Amino acid sequence: EPEVTQTPSHQVTQMGQEVILRCVPISNHLYFYWYRQILGQKVEFLVSFYNNEISEKSEIFDDQFSVERPDGSNFTLKIRSTKLEDSAMYFCASRRGGGTEAFFGQGTRLTVV
Amino acid sequence: EDQVTQSPEALRLQEGESSSLNCSYTVSGLRGLFWYRQDPGKGPEFLFTLYSAGEEKEKERLKATLTKKESFLHITAPKPEDSATYLCAVDAGGTSYGKLTFGQGTILTVHP
Repeated sequence: EPEVTQTPSHQVTQMGQEVILRCVPISNHLYFYWYRQILGQKVEFLVSFYNNEISEKSEIFDDQFSVERPDGSNFTLKIRSTKLEDSAMYFCASRRGGGTEAFFGQGTRLTVV
Repeated sequence: EDQVTQSPEALRLQEGESSSLNCSYTVSGLRGLFWYRQDPGKGPEFLFTLYSAGEEKEKERLKATLTKKESFLHITAPKPEDSATYLCAVDAGGTSYGKLTFGQGTILTVHP
């Protein structure tokens, strides 16, 4: 069964460092997303990506964040200068079309120290 | 602003004791309501999609229903392996490109 794959599963970084979180969405999906979940809190939307551009982003997704789909399979989230409050689980998701179910990866646990 | 509220926050059941989880939502227009299961430290696992009031979906011991204001996830004769956090999310449609708004989840614990 096709699945969304995320790497690494856990990343520890120093405050102020850049991190790149990687995702391989399901191959015939067209919409790609990043969400995050701070420990004990709701899953929050960060950004959606369609047709090779950002289609929507939340207030959390400020200038420190960027996304890229460098080739036909990978989808990345970059945090330019990490803060302590960026510590969270980051989930990549993809879906075939609007209104269909989104499938999530297993997440990357980001710890900023 | 789209809002999703789940209740109860936590539910403890004995094995075989049926119950229901509630998801209330306020959205400008509903494109779809989704139920997910989340195990600790893992990503949400898709369970059901509901699109219109009156719709029902079933899978093993789970049944999801939808009205114009809320959705229920009914669990019949649960087993310990059903223990997880159950998440409800809505796709409000409109100009959003499938953004999901999640509730805070219901933590279900089923004791043998």
